[in-house]
Amino acid sequence: DTEVTQTPKHLVMGMTNKKSLKCEQHMGHRAMYWYKQKAKKPPELMFVYSYEKLSINESVPSRFSPECPNSSLLNLHLHALQPEDSALYLCASSQGTGTISYGYTFGSGTRLTVV
Amino acid sequence: AQSVTQLGSHVSVSEGALVLLRCNYSSSVPPYLFWYVQYPNQGLQLLLKYTSAATLVKGINGFEAEFKKSETSFHLTKPSAHMRDAAEYFCAVSLQSGYSTLTFGKGTMLLVSP
Repeated sequence: DTEVTQTPKHLVMGMTNKKSLKCEQHMGHRAMYWYKQKAKKPPELMFVYSYEKLSINESVPSRFSPECPNSSLLNLHLHALQPEDSALYLCASSQGTGTISYGYTFGSGTRLTVV
Repeated sequence: AQSVTQLGSHVSVSEGALVLLRCNYSSSVPPYLFWYVQYPNQGLQLLLKYTSAATLVKGINGFEAEFKKSETSFHLTKPSAHMRDAAEYFCAVSLQSGYSTLTFGKGTMLLVSP
């Protein structure tokens, strides 16, 4: 299995809703990432988990809450989002964070719309 | 610190023509370099990577890139464009030593006309 699976593919939520994005990989990768991508822009790093511990939080607002229950799963919990948070949310994984010679494997993303 | 600069937000070619997408990097230590492709409403797919083994790197879908240290460049080429190559292309860099994450360029949209 060489894939990163993200669910759901599309999500529409109101500003008072609570929802979660899910990401799963079975490649034995020990680092997982959340990126946010606005239209016509490159992906922006949000969070990095290394060996199931949060190692980087790129000053992301607290309405985004990541969780790594085990080495194969990564969640992003969403609460009280704003319309400007509408974007494509990408999950990625890599063998480790110390040497990125293999690059990242990306999922197909969740298209989030906040109304 | 590391960064990449992609010259040209849009590149237009005719089907069958040469594709050249430009990427220049800046890093304090030797870099790893990557090209990713993104089709509409999809994630990023790795095209090829430079990891210091060989300066000319061949990737998927007929693409290749050459690492030129003297020019700090890693340009992506394909001899003959296909309509299916129309997509967004991102150059990315990470460092060969220590802790590093991928840093992306702003992307180049490749447009292919019949």
